[in-house]
Amino acid sequence: NAGVTQTPKFQVLKTGQSMTLQCAQDMNHEYMSWYRQDPGMGLRLIHYSVGAGITDQGEVPNGYNVSRSTTEDFPLRLLSAAPSQTSVYFCASRSGSQNQPQHFGDGTRLSIL
Amino acid sequence: AQTVTQSQPEMSVQEAETVTLSCTYDTSESDYYLFWYKQPPSRQMILVIRQEAYKQQNATENRFSVNFQKAAKSFSLKISDSQLGDAAMYFCAYRSFYGGGSEKLVFGKGTKLTVNP
Repeated sequence: NAGVTQTPKFQVLKTGQSMTLQCAQDMNHEYMSWYRQDPGMGLRLIHYSVGAGITDQGEVPNGYNVSRSTTEDFPLRLLSAAPSQTSVYFCASRSGSQNQPQHFGDGTRLSIL
Repeated sequence: AQTVTQSQPEMSVQEAETVTLSCTYDTSESDYYLFWYKQPPSRQMILVIRQEAYKQQNATENRFSVNFQKAAKSFSLKISDSQLGDAAMYFCAYRSFYGGGSEKLVFGKGTKLTVNP
């Protein structure tokens, strides 16, 4: 039972490079989301999806794209990385039942030079 | 917009003793969910406990319990019989009950808990 799997765990990019952070879940959860965690702060929502083909913006969406072609996968794309995007990124999923909590992946630490 | 405040950046407790972490929140909604997540140095986000606002009874999970005061918008976490493995960052989080906001977790800035042997 893998839960929420994020790859890679660590990545270093140069400014202007592009990259896709992968997220997969095997719990058949309808809802998936991406958060970023900066030092001294809690997590902030970037984008989320309530089902395949449906995505919406969160609190800090600028500089990130998402798509949801399958229930299992929810990749996060950085089209042109900037130093301000240096952060730890978490993917989360939950079932459609209203009272269910989010389950988080182990995070990706991303550094942009 | 909802906000979550954790007023204690750091707390410490002796092993086997009890500690309470504070959390207050601001919302105009009547139905919502509250959560406490634990983040050890491994950086995993682990659900500790959750509370539905429409339930008056305080949630309990083994050594972890909450004191939910809806009118005061307060949601504190009590850890009894503290263990070394409880050392971590603890985040309080809010989630709306309805609509698009029902997917967004609003986090506090966290409380770093140290457990002394």
